[in-house]
Amino acid sequence: DIVMTQSPDSLAVSLGETATINCKSSQSILYSSTNNNYLAWYQHKPGHPPKLLIYWASARESGVPDRFSGSGSGTDFTLTISSLQAEDVAVYYCQQYYSTTLTFGGGTKVEIK
Amino acid sequence: EVQLVESGGGLVQPGRSLRISCTVSGFSFGDYAMSWVRQAPGKGLEWVGFIRSKAYDGTTEYAASVKGRFTISRDDSKSIAYLQINSLKTEDTAVYYCTRDVTSGWSQYYMDVWGKGTTVTVSS
Repeated sequence: DIVMTQSPDSLAVSLGETATINCKSSQSILYSSTNNNYLAWYQHKPGHPPKLLIYWASARESGVPDRFSGSGSGTDFTLTISSLQAEDVAVYYCQQYYSTTLTFGGGTKVEIK
Repeated sequence: EVQLVESGGGLVQPGRSLRISCTVSGFSFGDYAMSWVRQAPGKGLEWVGFIRSKAYDGTTEYAASVKGRFTISRDDSKSIAYLQINSLKTEDTAVYYCTRDVTSGWSQYYMDVWGKGTTVTVSS
């Protein structure tokens, strides 16, 4: 299985500041023939189901605010939350879909400082 | 409105079996692959497995951790996906979510719609 490792486990950011979450895969999840990175990001708030934010590493799901952005390629990826809002408090997960067996990162908890 | 509603969770003794359901509405169920994802208490998300649409023979894939004990099936006439769990273990205690999957051909990609989940507690 492809192992997804997120860092940090948690972070506290002041309102209006930027939160940066990292995700590293144990092997490249870049499909060379299409130049697509097989990575998605989800937001999971307490008491709610997870919500898709980003797919193909950088494509924003419809309705997701543009303060959420994804970047990276190969094995190293980043989710950036610009101008953090109170409603962004959640756990964020990356997920690879390069292999038939899907795997998630361990999650990063974002809190307000 | 697209909706996925899980049901059938509850308190079950170790070693018993349980079938949980995911009833969908608001989209053409038969055209989509469906997954199950679980979250144990205090833990992260774990993909359990998925079932392809009938166009791809309704075949299934499972995580190694559940293969052999978990079975995913579907009834397109009722727009329901099922997760059968046999020989339940305490470590199967979790919230179980069903998801609608974005796919291409035989490949599963990401999950674009999630149900609210059903809680399975395995305890004597």
